Amino acid sequence: SYDLTQPLSVSVALGQTARITCGGDKIGIKNVHWYQQKPGQAPLLVIYRNNNRPSGIPERFSGSNSGNTATLTISRAQVGDEADYYCQVWDSRTLFGGGTKVTVL
Amino acid sequence: EVQLVESGGGVVRPGGSLRLSCTVSGFTFDDNGVNWVRQAPGKGLEWVSGFNWNDGPNAYADSVKGRFTISRDKARNALYLQMNSLRDEDTAFYYCARAGLASLDSWFDSWGQGTLVTVSS
Repeated sequence: SYDLTQPLSVSVALGQTARITCGGDKIGIKNVHWYQQKPGQAPLLVIYRNNNRPSGIPERFSGSNSGNTATLTISRAQVGDEADYYCQVWDSRTLFGGGTKVTVL
Repeated sequence: EVQLVESGGGVVRPGGSLRLSCTVSGFTFDDNGVNWVRQAPGKGLEWVSGFNWNDGPNAYADSVKGRFTISRDKARNALYLQMNSLRDEDTAFYYCARAGLASLDSWFDSWGQGTLVTVSS
C-alpha cells in the first residue's frame, strides 16, 4: 500500500517561512493536494494539483512536488496560520498524510 | 454558494447500524463528486468512501469495505453512507466533501461541518 509521511510538527518564527513536507514513493508523478484544519473546524483546501491555489487563499501559500517529496510552503507566517496541515493523493483510492501541526512562535 | 450539510450522526452500540446523509446545494452531482472523510477525535483525516460518477464501482477504504455502502439520490441532491456492523474504531466526525472533479481522483474543495458518530456500549 502507498504511504504518505509528514512530520508531526513544524515550528516557524513569526514572519518567516515554514515548509511542510509530504513524502511518498515517486510522489512527484502524482497530484498532491493540501488542506489546513484549525481546531473545531472542517478542513480547508489551500493547494490543489501540487501548486494551484483556490480562490481566496493568500499567495503566501505555495506548493511544489518532485521526486519523493511534496512541499507546502507558507511564506511570511502569521499567527493565523497555526493549524494542522494534511497532504492528499490518489493511489487507487484517496490517501491522506498523517498531518503536521504548525506552530508560529 | 456551495453548501454541504451532514446529518444522521449519533450514539450506536457496537454491531449496530446508522445511515448518514449529506444534502448539497450550489452545485450538481453531474459536475462534482462527493466523498465521505472521517476524523476520530484528536486524530488525522481518513478517507472513507467516494461515489463513482462514471457508473463504475464505488470506492471504499479497506477499513470499511463490506460494512459501509455509499449511495446517491440525485433528485434530492443527497449522498448517503449506510454504516453496518459498526465498531468502536468507527467513532469519528464524518464529513462529506465536494470533489473538484466528477471523478474519484480529485481534491476536495468544499466540506460540510461534520456529524459525530459514537460507537459505544
